[in-house]
Amino acid sequence: DTEVTQTPKHLVMGMTNKKSLKCEQHMGHRAMYWYKQKAKKPPELMFVYSYEKLSINESVPSRFSPECPNSSLLNLHLHALQPEDSALYLCASSRQGYNEKLFFGSGTQLSVL
Amino acid sequence: GQQVMQIPQYQHVQEGEDFTTYCNSSTTLSNIQWYKQRPGGHPVFLIQLVKSGEVKKQKRLTFQFGEAKKNSSLHITATQTTDVGTYFCATLDGQNFVFGPGTRLSVLP
Repeated sequence: DTEVTQTPKHLVMGMTNKKSLKCEQHMGHRAMYWYKQKAKKPPELMFVYSYEKLSINESVPSRFSPECPNSSLLNLHLHALQPEDSALYLCASSRQGYNEKLFFGSGTQLSVL
Repeated sequence: GQQVMQIPQYQHVQEGEDFTTYCNSSTTLSNIQWYKQRPGGHPVFLIQLVKSGEVKKQKRLTFQFGEAKKNSSLHITATQTTDVGTYFCATLDGQNFVFGPGTRLSVLP
């Protein structure tokens, strides 16, 4: 199994809603990532979890809250988002992190109304 | 942080023509990765280059790392419609990879 699975594939939410994005991998990878990608732009790193501990937070607003319940799962909790937060949210994993190839999920296309 | 430029930003080719995209940095890179993202898809890892002057081939794709480790190139021979997508280079910034702006390739049949 070389897949990173993300749910939901599409999400529409209002600015007062609370929602969560989910990501799962069963490759035994110990590093997991959240990236944000706007249309026609490269992915931008948001968070990195290494061995289930948050190791990098790229100055992301607190309305985005990551969680890593175990080594296979990664969540991104969303609250009070703004329309400019609309984007493709990509989860990725790597074997141990740092200098290894990334396996990306197919992403969640988020629209904030 | 580490930044790279990619040229060209867009490239339109006729099917069967060759295509090259370049990734350039003002500083020495420890290594570089290349990813491909199809329209509506997600980035998929292609290759990682580590050594100065390294050349790696994958079927019609040839990847090269410059001697000074400040640039890299991806060359596709005889493009096919399946090559359509955006090609990103990614460089190590601290402990994680940062993506270049990408080159969007369209192939006309």
